[in-house]
Amino acid sequence: ETGVTQSPTHLIKTRGQQVTLRCSSQSGHNTVSWYQQALGQGPQFIFQYYREEENGRGNFPPRFSGLQFPNYSSELNVNALELDDSALYLCASRRSGSTNEKLFFGSGTQLSVL
Amino acid sequence: AQTVTQSQPEMSVQEAETVTLSCTYDTSENNYYLFWYKQPPSRQMILVIRQEAYKQQNATENRFSVNFQKAAKSFSLKISDSQLGDTAMYFCAFMKSNAGNNRKLIWGLGTSLAVNP
Repeated sequence: ETGVTQSPTHLIKTRGQQVTLRCSSQSGHNTVSWYQQALGQGPQFIFQYYREEENGRGNFPPRFSGLQFPNYSSELNVNALELDDSALYLCASRRSGSTNEKLFFGSGTQLSVL
Repeated sequence: AQTVTQSQPEMSVQEAETVTLSCTYDTSENNYYLFWYKQPPSRQMILVIRQEAYKQQNATENRFSVNFQKAAKSFSLKISDSQLGDTAMYFCAFMKSNAGNNRKLIWGLGTSLAVNP
């Protein structure tokens, strides 16, 4: 167990809807990043949050947005869902300034868009 | 842009034997980290081993070791004495070391490893 928890574990939505995924980072970790893992693919970096601000973003459209809260937990919001948004969404946390660059991952949220 | 290539979509090995998973990468960076992650059916990404590019010595973690060839941009994972619990997807990943706080991982497509009894 890594101490990173994600909810819900599974979710089914229809095209055009909005979804919010949640992540509780490991104790002491102040940086959270989100990844999208499509079936049969490696994860793709969506964005990273540090001190409640986005400080890095991958090649994802603005309808992918996020939040980080004072307790370092995080949300990923996706608006206007498309079929291609169906994927496993992984959250990872780490302590900024640590020297071992170790990311701790949650078990993910499996999103299906119908 | 950095890319990571895993050329073996699937591999299998008999229990107690040794298997090597391949990974190559492309970068113009001189300082970076390389990782192998394991993703079992539980879907959680678990760090197997980590290598810093400036270190010539290959990293080892118990039954897991790497062969890091910086000039060839190759980073293979050797699993010795394979166990049934090693059955999983294995991903090779790259991270720049001078990215400030924006430390994103760039991943390969993965290798599905089956350990057979």
